Amino acid sequence: ILNVEQSPQSLHVQEGDSTNFTCSFPSSNFYALHWYRWETAKSPEALFVMTLNGDEKKKGRISATLNTKEGYSYLYIKGSQPEDSATYLCAFRMDSSYKLIFGSGTRLLVRP
Amino acid sequence: SQTIHQWPATLVQPVGSPLSLECTVEGTSNPNLYWYRQAAGRGLQLLFYSIGIGQISSEVPQNLSASRPQDRQFILSSKKLLLSDSGFYLCAWNPDREASEAFFGQGTRLTVV
Repeated sequence: ILNVEQSPQSLHVQEGDSTNFTCSFPSSNFYALHWYRWETAKSPEALFVMTLNGDEKKKGRISATLNTKEGYSYLYIKGSQPEDSATYLCAFRMDSSYKLIFGSGTRLLVRP
Repeated sequence: SQTIHQWPATLVQPVGSPLSLECTVEGTSNPNLYWYRQAAGRGLQLLFYSIGIGQISSEVPQNLSASRPQDRQFILSSKKLLLSDSGFYLCAWNPDREASEAFFGQGTRLTVV
């Protein structure tokens, strides 16, 4: 059974704070790691797809890193804004499989 | 451009009744297709995925089934719903190429009463 773990489960921060979340996944047979943002009443939308050990990707104030050898990825948000409030999901894809396995998500609430 | 349609948006069904949720993708061919469920307070659980017509992989033993009668159509079904089938169901697709992101439908909120 593939296990994809995310922590923390939820996070409340003040506007302007920087924050980060963790995604842990199996370190063997790695193919890709995805990050999604899921806002209330909307569909999940992809932030990043990462495939190489040591990958770092950035989109505005959001960035992510990847360590495939130890099986973790970090998502960072610099200077959180209320519009960043959402559930952040990571998803793991194993080599030679089309399965996309999601973690349970980190729910972020940014207070103005 | 590609779009994904999922319907209905909400559904209230009695225990023991059948279920059919439909998902179609436009603007692409041979997509990988997925059905996920989010139970209350939990993440997305993969139920089924398909890499081609008639090719269905089941991830969780359920009283649910899936079918792919056409290249861009994915159907989630049940002959007899259980209370535990209540949840939020999402259809998703990604292109049949390396490491591509998934695109999600709007979801169906199913309540079994």
